[in-house]
Order: sequence, then structure tokens, then C-alpha cells
Amino acid sequence: SSELTQDPAVSVALGQTVRITCQGDSLRTYYASWYQQKPGQAPVLVFYGENNRPSGIPNRFSASSSGNTASLTITGAQAEDEADYYCNSRDSSGNHLVVFGGGTKLTVL
Amino acid sequence: QLQLQESGPGLVKPSETLSLTCTVSGGSISSSRYNWGWIRQPPGKGLEWIGSIYYSGSTYYNPSLKSRVTISVDTSKNQFSLKLNSVTAADTAVYYCARHLYDSAQYDYWGQGTLVTVSS
Repeated sequence: SSELTQDPAVSVALGQTVRITCQGDSLRTYYASWYQQKPGQAPVLVFYGENNRPSGIPNRFSASSSGNTASLTITGAQAEDEADYYCNSRDSSGNHLVVFGGGTKLTVL
Repeated sequence: QLQLQESGPGLVKPSETLSLTCTVSGGSISSSRYNWGWIRQPPGKGLEWIGSIYYSGSTYYNPSLKSRVTISVDTSKNQFSLKLNSVTAADTAVYYCARHLYDSAQYDYWGQGTLVTVSS
């Protein structure tokens, strides 16, 4: 099955822009979805597909993809954006399997 | 507003079977647009996809867990369930149920999660 690789930790100064990346072979075929998880809470979908942000998610969250790498960008990071971020996608096997990345801990300084 | 709620024992003995149910409210589990899945998260670690089910009963499992996992659906009760057998301490985790669009991987609605501890 496929794997998705994320940097374990990233930091950003308050109000600056940060990009969180996700790499894997499945991303050459399928779009990534992105989730934000705060301590003690369930993950929340923040971006999916080519260009889809769920209702209620601030427009400072955006995403892009190139080759085997997907990226989540937060433009003007806020203190409340400090959280763990996970990517996932369909598995490249094409058998309706799903794979998650290992997660990135975002610290807002 | 769609809601998902996990239920089941919070403590399971090693070698026994973990059983959880997810009750869906505010929407029908029989919708052809969605799959219903289980994801778990060991304490302090990342998310791991366990598997998912379509309302018709078609199932898809993580290859690493496939030999121990069964996911089933009860459309009459608007519920789907997870059974994981021969559990060990490594199966201790918060277990989430969630919905995703059929033929995709984006999980748009999640339950709050339930901690299952494997211990004697």
C-alpha cells in the first residue's frame, strides 16, 4: 500500500505564511485532503480536492499539488491555527483504500 | 446537521475482540454518495485508517489489519460497526467513525472519538 510522508514539525511566526507538505506516490493520481486536529478533539477537514474549502474554514487556508507533493498553505497564520495537520488520499492501488500521512505539528510563534 | 457517535466498551482484555458501533443521526447511512469509515489514533501518535463500508455492504480494509477486522452496516438502525479481534496493547487508541464521499478519501464528518484501552 501507499505511504504519505509529512514533516513532523513546522513553526511559523504569527501573521506569516507557512506551507505544510505531504509526499507520496498516490498524490500523482489522487488529490490530498487536509485535516486540522487540536488536542483532545476529532480532526476537522480544512481542504480537499483541487480547490475545495469546507464551509466555515477561513480562506487563509489553501492547497496545491504538484507531482507527488501536496501542500497546505496558511496565509497569515493565527494563534488558533496551532494544531496537528494530517493529509490523506486514496491509495494508489485503486482498491478504495485510504492512507494518512504521519502528521505535522504546527507551532505558531 | 449530520452527527456520528461511537459507542462500546472502553476496556478490552488482550486476545479478546474489540467491538464498537457508530450511530449516524441527521442523515441516512443508506445514501449512495457516501462510505462510512473507522480511523484510530494511538495516544500521542498519528491517524491510522482501519477501513470503510458502503451501505450495500462492500468493505475495504487496511491491509495491515485486514486479517483481524470486520466492518458491518445495519441500515435499519442507521449504524455501522467495527470488530477487531485478537487485540493487544498496540490496539489501544482513540477510535473515530467518520463519513467520506464515495470513491474519495475526504472525511467530512467525524464522531468525537472513543478511547479503547487494551489491558488485563
